[in-house]
Amino acid sequence: DIVMTQSPDSLAVSLGERATINCKSSQSVLYSSNNKNYLAWYQQKPGQPPKLLIYWASTRESGVPDRFSGSGSGTDFTLTISSLQAEDVAVYYCQQYYSTLPFTFGPGTKVDIK
Amino acid sequence: EVQLVESGGGLVQPGGSLRLSCAASGFTFSSYAMQWVRQAPGKGLEYVSAISSNGDTTFYGNSVKGRFTISRDNSKNTLYLQMGSLRAEDTAVYHCARGATVTKSWGQGTLVTVSS
Repeated sequence: DIVMTQSPDSLAVSLGERATINCKSSQSVLYSSNNKNYLAWYQQKPGQPPKLLIYWASTRESGVPDRFSGSGSGTDFTLTISSLQAEDVAVYYCQQYYSTLPFTFGPGTKVDIK
Repeated sequence: EVQLVESGGGLVQPGGSLRLSCAASGFTFSSYAMQWVRQAPGKGLEYVSAISSNGDTTFYGNSVKGRFTISRDNSKNTLYLQMGSLRAEDTAVYHCARGATVTKSWGQGTLVTVSS
């Protein structure tokens, strides 16, 4: 199975400031035939199911504010919240969906307001 | 609007069984693979099981293999998870979700508590 790690475990950022979350996979999730990274980001707020934010590592899901952006390729990825809003307090998970099941999740990064 | 509503959770003793259901609406259920993802209290997301659109192909995570069975009834637009030989570590909220890869639609989940 592909192992996903995230850093940091948690971070606190002032309102309006940038938040950066890192995700690393134990093997590349870049499919060479289509040059796509099989990596998604989810946001989960307390008591709610996860919400898809980004797929193909950098494609924002419809309706997701443009302050959320994804980058990276191969094994190293980043989710950036350019200007943190109060409603962005949540846990963020990366997930790889490359090759065979299981499509493993990272352990999550908790984002709070400083 | 896509809706996924789980049911069947509850308190069960170690070694017991439980069947979860997920009622789907708002989309052509028979056209989509489906999955179950669980989340233990205060923990992260764990991919549990998946099933192809016609039910011919299934997948199980190592932690549930041999104990859980996923199935679906496309005539009833319903996904199931039969859970057996339950352990304390199976305690979690179980979410059903549409698709087997990137998941845009999730249910709210149903809580399964395994305890004596």
